[in-house]
Amino acid sequence: LAKTTQPISMDSYEGQEVNITCSHNNIATNDYITWYQQFPSQGPRFIIQGYKTKVTNEVASLFIPADRKSSTLSLPRVSLSDTAVYYCLVGEGNFNKFYFGSGTKLNVKP
Amino acid sequence: NAGVTQTPKFQVLKTGQSMTLQCAQDMNHEYMSWYRQDPGMGLRLIHYSVGAGITDQGEVPNGYNVSRSTTEDFPLRLLSAAPSQTSVYFCASNRLILQGAGEAFFGQGTRLTVV
Repeated sequence: LAKTTQPISMDSYEGQEVNITCSHNNIATNDYITWYQQFPSQGPRFIIQGYKTKVTNEVASLFIPADRKSSTLSLPRVSLSDTAVYYCLVGEGNFNKFYFGSGTKLNVKP
Repeated sequence: NAGVTQTPKFQVLKTGQSMTLQCAQDMNHEYMSWYRQDPGMGLRLIHYSVGAGITDQGEVPNGYNVSRSTTEDFPLRLLSAAPSQTSVYFCASNRLILQGAGEAFFGQGTRLTVV
């Protein structure tokens, strides 16, 4: 399983942009980078997935440098409801090959 | 659509008892899996299935059995409950794809306490 390294926790304030970085030095050529969000007492929820450069959807952006050894999830103008744990997954193929790790606990303050 | 439905939401068992956690999905997904999440930890894969009649072990399979007789259902059986199995259990389903993890859909979880 391809493992990743993320900060254990981050603090932010409402209205700020939050960037969560994930390190994946051993990423393979065919691996994609996927981010999930988990609220307390709920199952994880898919946020975004990308392979290289930049991907954007209605809730987040994912920045991936040319060497793909890291990636950054960007949440624009966070609100209190964005307080959650964010997981970075790296790999390809069947879901059983993905390692969740402990994620990054984001705490958004008023 | 209901998505992924887990029952029960809460359960208390005595050590040595057995039980089945139910999981059903209505999205016709090929792939289903079970995870456990201990307090403050990430998810750990217990068992998974890539289709009806096919199951395999994940990272922490000991003490659990699964079967997949239909595409929709993927029950998880605890054979003889132990306090170490106190955890929150999540079931997930997703389409089989080759590009990354893709979008998996998780149930709301079953909070299990073994006393």
